[in-house]
Amino acid sequence: DGGITQSPKYLFRKEGQNVTLSCEQNLNHDAMYWYRQDPGQGLRLIYYSQIVNDFQKGDIAEGYSVSREKKESFPLTVTSAQKNPTAFYLCASSPTGTGGYGYTFGSGTRLTVV
Amino acid sequence: DQQVKQNSPSLSVQEGRISILNCDYTNSMFDYFLWYKKYPAEGPTFLISISSIKDKNEDGRFTVFLNKSAKHLSLHIVPSQPGDSAVYFCAASPLQGGSEKLVFGKGTKLTVNP
Repeated sequence: DGGITQSPKYLFRKEGQNVTLSCEQNLNHDAMYWYRQDPGQGLRLIYYSQIVNDFQKGDIAEGYSVSREKKESFPLTVTSAQKNPTAFYLCASSPTGTGGYGYTFGSGTRLTVV
Repeated sequence: DQQVKQNSPSLSVQEGRISILNCDYTNSMFDYFLWYKKYPAEGPTFLISISSIKDKNEDGRFTVFLNKSAKHLSLHIVPSQPGDSAVYFCAASPLQGGSEKLVFGKGTKLTVNP
């Protein structure tokens, strides 16, 4: 039963703390992505990776960091440098060469800064 | 600059009637377009797509129309059902460029009233 798993579903962070969001896929997809959703803002790309050990900044990468040490995993760290981290975070994966048709999304992590 | 625009944040229709969701884009490099459906606190799911070599693609109750000269696409849902109530995202990809990065619009919240 292949899919993409994000954990935790809800996360609370104190101001000034770093926090890491997990994303794991067993779909054998080469590419993985992190998006952020804010009310009225749609989905904005934070980082993406098309191959292991390589990743690229998206449109709103400031204050975030990622790693891609394994094909299955693409964790996102929200650092204290991110000014407004409260949002819904979505991870996705896709095979290459599908033009976005093959995107599979996780169920998301809602991060709240308290 | 917003490359994919969904100018209507919300749309309300009666059950059984047609729902028409609109999307405009500015980047001429986009040649693959997709619609995703999203329920609250869940990840988006793929609904229907169209490549730039076509002007219409139909899948059951869902039809997507593409007008390349106007850089406009629309999603028609006929007949609309209460279960169609969700946020619909339009997305675009420059498939020819070899990138799987999707650019999303801000979404349109569709409410189908019984």
